[in-house]
Amino acid sequence: KQEVTQIPAALSVPEGENLVLNCSFTDSAIYNLQWFRQDPGKGLTSLLLIQSSQREQTSGRLNASLDKSSGRSTLYIAASQPGDSATYLCAVRPQGAQKLVFGQGTRLTINP
Amino acid sequence: GAVVSQHPSWVICKSGTSVKIECRSLDFQATTMFWYRQFPKQSLMLMATSNEGSKATYEQGVEKDKFLINHASLTLSTLTVTSAHPEDSSFYICSATSTMNTEAFFGQGTRLTVV
Repeated sequence: KQEVTQIPAALSVPEGENLVLNCSFTDSAIYNLQWFRQDPGKGLTSLLLIQSSQREQTSGRLNASLDKSSGRSTLYIAASQPGDSATYLCAVRPQGAQKLVFGQGTRLTINP
Repeated sequence: GAVVSQHPSWVICKSGTSVKIECRSLDFQATTMFWYRQFPKQSLMLMATSNEGSKATYEQGVEKDKFLINHASLTLSTLTVTSAHPEDSSFYICSATSTMNTEAFFGQGTRLTVV
């Protein structure tokens, strides 16, 4: 059974810092991995999607990497801003499955 | 990215009544839709998966007679909470994918309060 873990559960950093959020999964047989952002009381916004054959994806100040063999993904946020404050969720889609398996999320706070 | 619209964004209803939540894919054909429930400060809990034209597949522990899911078209799925009780109060979120695009897109969520 696929399990996804995100560390840390919460992170607070000063504005301007670069930071890394971690995601690990127990079964390397995945179809893809997706990073989401959730603001309080809102739905999920898709940030980056990495297919199983890819190593990384970039969008603006965000970079996500995937190491399938070790069961790890990282989300790198450069030059953090207060507007980046949100909960970040990692989810994997196992091979042969339609549904996503989510981590518990990292609650990120960027202090001005 | 693709847009998934969920309506209403919030609803308050009396115990014993039924509430319908709509999830629409606005610019793509959603062959598969998912319904989640989220408790405060927790991650998403998958309730059911629905493929267009088929009966929904419910996760273990989810009452299919209480949470009715319909996915009659490639752009619309509905979740009806029947005979709602205060313990059904929660945040419900839908998601959609297509055969052409495996990326999952989410609605804005619906805050249900049963009084």
